[in-house]
Amino acid sequence: TQLLEQSPQFLSIQEGENLTVYCNSSSVFSSLQWYRQEPGEGPVLLVTVVTGGEVKKLKRLTFQFGDARKDSSLHITAAQPGDTGLYLCAGAPSGTYKYIFGTGTRLKVLA
Amino acid sequence: SAVISQKPSRDICQRGTSLTIQCQVDSQVTMMFWYRQQPGQSLTLIATANQGSEATYESGFVIDKFPISRPNLTFSTLTVSNMSPEDSSIYLCSVIRTGANVLTFGAGSRLTVL
Repeated sequence: TQLLEQSPQFLSIQEGENLTVYCNSSSVFSSLQWYRQEPGEGPVLLVTVVTGGEVKKLKRLTFQFGDARKDSSLHITAAQPGDTGLYLCAGAPSGTYKYIFGTGTRLKVLA
Repeated sequence: SAVISQKPSRDICQRGTSLTIQCQVDSQVTMMFWYRQQPGQSLTLIATANQGSEATYESGFVIDKFPISRPNLTFSTLTVSNMSPEDSSIYLCSVIRTGANVLTFGAGSRLTVL
């Protein structure tokens, strides 16, 4: 069974600080996705990383896919209260669309 | 991306009863899925809803407990049967559109069982 472990589980920081969230697996994924979920809503896709070593930037968010395609990271620069939410990585076993979600990182950014 | 409407958005139910959750999509989609999110937890896939045939359930989930229908390409229902407090969760409908590799989620149905 493929598992995605995220760390840290919880993170509470002050506005303006930087942070990194990690997503690790013992299995290889053809791609990994990152989602953010806010209270009362479903998860919303932030990015998909496909190529080992790939780096993608989305404004203050930087996503990286590990060279071996077993892990990924999300770095947020100068966090803002609007970044507060549950961050989830997800991947699907090769040849399926059955996405497995990571254990989640709950971020709170204090003003 | 597809727009998904789920209802009810929330409900409080008594132990032993059943509740059906509806998922309506604004366009035809290839794949429809049902996920469960227990309090403070991540998402777990319950099943893939197959049009016109029985759903495909993941390990730990069975049809008698979570019957699913998908009569057409834009609509599906999930029933949570004989509920117990352990069934208190958010149930999320998600879809993948034809030719895409992106999951789009509904807002979820928050179920509390007393």
